[in-house]
Amino acid sequence: QQQVKQSPQSLIVQKGGISIINCAYENTAFDYFPWYQQFPGKGPALLIAIRPDVSEKKEGRFTISFNKSAKQFSLHIMDSQPGDSATYFCAAEGTYKYIFGTGTRLKVLA
Amino acid sequence: NAGVTQTPKFQVLKTGQSMTLQCAQDMNHNSMYWYRQDPGMGLRLIYYSASEGTTDKGEVPNGYNVSRLNKREFSLRLESAAPSQTSVYFCASSESRINTGELFFGEGSRLTVL
Repeated sequence: QQQVKQSPQSLIVQKGGISIINCAYENTAFDYFPWYQQFPGKGPALLIAIRPDVSEKKEGRFTISFNKSAKQFSLHIMDSQPGDSATYFCAAEGTYKYIFGTGTRLKVLA
Repeated sequence: NAGVTQTPKFQVLKTGQSMTLQCAQDMNHNSMYWYRQDPGMGLRLIYYSASEGTTDKGEVPNGYNVSRLNKREFSLRLESAAPSQTSVYFCASSESRINTGELFFGEGSRLTVL
């Protein structure tokens, strides 16, 4: 079974700190790596995504770092805010396959 | 713009009862999906419909059936509910099944089977 392994399961960060969530995948055919953000009682929503032809993508305070040779990618949230408190899912997609990680519950303390 | 709408939002069933979760999208997307979300297990694909008129099994299809009623609507049916089906169910849609890109999710349906 193809997997996307996500860590940590939970994360507590002080306001203004950096939150880092890591994912590793197995299938080299994956070619799209999104991160989804989910608030309690809501469905996941796309936060940021990257394709393997670049090593980093930044959108505001959110950055994806991608290491193709290690088959790993990570989400960095700079200047973390209480409003960032949510569950974050990484995912990997290839043709006809879209696999999610198990999620990271982030809590940012005010 | 409603996006993906799921009904009902909450449901309690007794073991053996049946029910249907409804999903509709107004984005003219071709592909639709049903996922279940359980603590520590992420989102797992139950069934998907790549286009109107087609449906296929995902990772965890046992105990479920689906119907792609038209391009907008995709329903999930539990014929004989079991406690193991207690979960939060999400419907999602995308423009295409190939190189899916962004998935658009509904707000979820929380199902409890007693």
